[in-house]
Amino acid sequence: QKEVEQNSGPLSVPEGAIASLNCTYSDRGSQSFFWYRQYSGKSPELIMFIYSNGDKEDGRFTAQLNKASQYVSLLIRDSQPSDSATYLCAVTRVEDKIIFGKGTRLHILP
Amino acid sequence: DGGITQSPKYLFRKEGQNVTLSCEQNLNHDAMYWYRQDPGQGLRLIYYSQIVNDFQKGDIAEGYSVSREKKESFPLTVTSAQKNPTAFYLCASSIEDRGYSPLHFGNGTRLTVT
Repeated sequence: QKEVEQNSGPLSVPEGAIASLNCTYSDRGSQSFFWYRQYSGKSPELIMFIYSNGDKEDGRFTAQLNKASQYVSLLIRDSQPSDSATYLCAVTRVEDKIIFGKGTRLHILP
Repeated sequence: DGGITQSPKYLFRKEGQNVTLSCEQNLNHDAMYWYRQDPGQGLRLIYYSQIVNDFQKGDIAEGYSVSREKKESFPLTVTSAQKNPTAFYLCASSIEDRGYSPLHFGNGTRLTVT
């Protein structure tokens, strides 16, 4: 089983709609969860981080964590063409190293 | 402005040559990391360092070497032993190496070996 799994996409969402990105992880002891956005040819940039079960909101972004189901998601409200990118889910392993999923490509349709 | 500087942005080498990628940070971060990214793949950890003069292997350390002589600098050498060195290399740092601190990335070095 892969440690961090994401649907590779592409996920196509109409402009103005809600984009939902999902991530599952295998290490039940994982403690920290991060979402990074990566534009083509660029380095990743941090969007959100979450440590506790539940929802965390920051502007148009909401991170959701369910440790019992080993599931973390990112919701993007009012999607904009500039949100088109690859979204990387990252999880801290028990030995404190951050590992990444392969990313989900998101395409916002104008 | 504080940040992480990677150089060069693009690097071309012939097979069999060692090459060193530079990474400098002025964020006063303790921990530094090297990741490798291949097309359509996530980031894979090569090496990381929590303090000066100490570093640990990540998941794919074979064919790579690092040094951490200064807090600000964490250069990565890709040796001729690395079988598939062509990739996008990302250096990152964090305030502390406890996993709760997010990573800050440099702009990356794209290495092509022919």
